[in-house]
Amino acid sequence: KAGVTQTPRYLIKTRGQQVTLSCSPISGHRSVSWYQQTPGQGLQFLFEYFSETQRNKGNFPGRFSGRQFSNSRSEMNVSTLELGDSALYLCASSSGTGGLMGTGELFFGEGSRLTVL
Amino acid sequence: QQPVQSPQAVILREGEDAVINCSSSKALYSVHWYRQKHGEAPVFLMILLKGGEQKGHEKISASFNEKKQQSSLYLTASQLSYSGTYFCGTDSKAAGNKLTFGGGTRVLVKP
Repeated sequence: KAGVTQTPRYLIKTRGQQVTLSCSPISGHRSVSWYQQTPGQGLQFLFEYFSETQRNKGNFPGRFSGRQFSNSRSEMNVSTLELGDSALYLCASSSGTGGLMGTGELFFGEGSRLTVL
Repeated sequence: QQPVQSPQAVILREGEDAVINCSSSKALYSVHWYRQKHGEAPVFLMILLKGGEQKGHEKISASFNEKKQQSSLYLTASQLSYSGTYFCGTDSKAAGNKLTFGGGTRVLVKP
């Protein structure tokens, strides 16, 4: 069974640009979550999607957005990039339905490492 | 609000034991533990549901004290392969049922 695939793996952008990151979950998983990982802040929750609906959102500015497609693939977009957006962006998929059932086991991709110059 | 992990780092000799703690200020539905090796994705270790059930993964076990909103991860007879950063993730209604991770505990096991 193929794991979670994230593209691109590495990218360099300059301040003010925008970036789109892609995540293909494990086949059959309908829940996709995004996390930002930095050395100082650890893993920070960005958002979670389930069946094309954003179910949860973390405390990030509106420059961070995402969406999920009918095939469960997800994208996140960061507009007007700032130096502080440099981080590893991790996507995780789950077979769980969340909500009252809680969060199930997360399967993480290897991440997209974004460097903003 | 993210859970608090302690210690932030620990160095062990092979065969030694260690405990990593995770505390939350919110009533928890579950606690998750993940391990991330350098340059790799975090990997799931176990989930503990409220009820105090203890789970195990090889010689790594954990407990969950629901009343204190605390979980502890026990590394027993540590092996070199246990090196990595351990993250606890907490799931609570108050947090909107999203998994919120602690800052991580870096574990280094030396021969």
